[in-house]
Amino acid sequence: EVQLVESGGGLVQSGGSLRLSCAASGFTFSTYEMNWVRQAPGKGLEWVSYISGSGRTIFYADSVKGRFTISRDNAKNSLYLQMNSLRAEDTAVYYCARDSTEYGSGSYDFEYWGQGSLVTVSS
Amino acid sequence: DIQMTQSPSSLSASVGDRVTITCRASQSISTYLNWYQQKPGKAPRLLISSASTLQSGVPSRFSGGGSRTDFTLTISSLEPEDFATFYCQQSYSSPLTFGGGTKVEI
Repeated sequence: EVQLVESGGGLVQSGGSLRLSCAASGFTFSTYEMNWVRQAPGKGLEWVSYISGSGRTIFYADSVKGRFTISRDNAKNSLYLQMNSLRAEDTAVYYCARDSTEYGSGSYDFEYWGQGSLVTVSS
Repeated sequence: DIQMTQSPSSLSASVGDRVTITCRASQSISTYLNWYQQKPGKAPRLLISSASTLQSGVPSRFSGGGSRTDFTLTISSLEPEDFATFYCQQSYSSPLTFGGGTKVEI
């Protein structure tokens, strides 16, 4: 069974930093592309970042470019999101999400999701 | 960036109704369009990929269609468990973008 479990969320002051983790199990982690998607309270979904299976290809939304860094450790079956210079508008539930196809086929969809981790940035 | 516009933003329906949600892309995305269902407090669920491919385990009352800029998600006969918010998402190019959502309520 595919499982994605996020951790690391919490309350942080504006300008602060936080690192989210996503522990993956039930599939061969290194062969799948991964993403972070967020949802502000009462709002819609917003894609944040993508990383290929090897970690060599990375994309960011403009809203987080230069402040957030996505990474992965395939030996630990883990995905990360380092968030710096946090702003009130970064307050959201952050989901890690797995692509539906492996080996770089690039579906760029989100087949499996974690339960989400709430990040609250106080101003 | 490709903008995704869903309509309506909300709708009221009854069990057994046929419901259609539309999604329009600001430029052609071929069939690189996915649909998700989200219930309150839960993570989204992928229903349909590539505009019309039903995911495993998704009931056949859900169907998707369209290409280029105009897409639809149809629920042929609403069941009580279908009341939720639905999102479209383009997978044609980065940044990946979602529609604003359509809330289906009683």
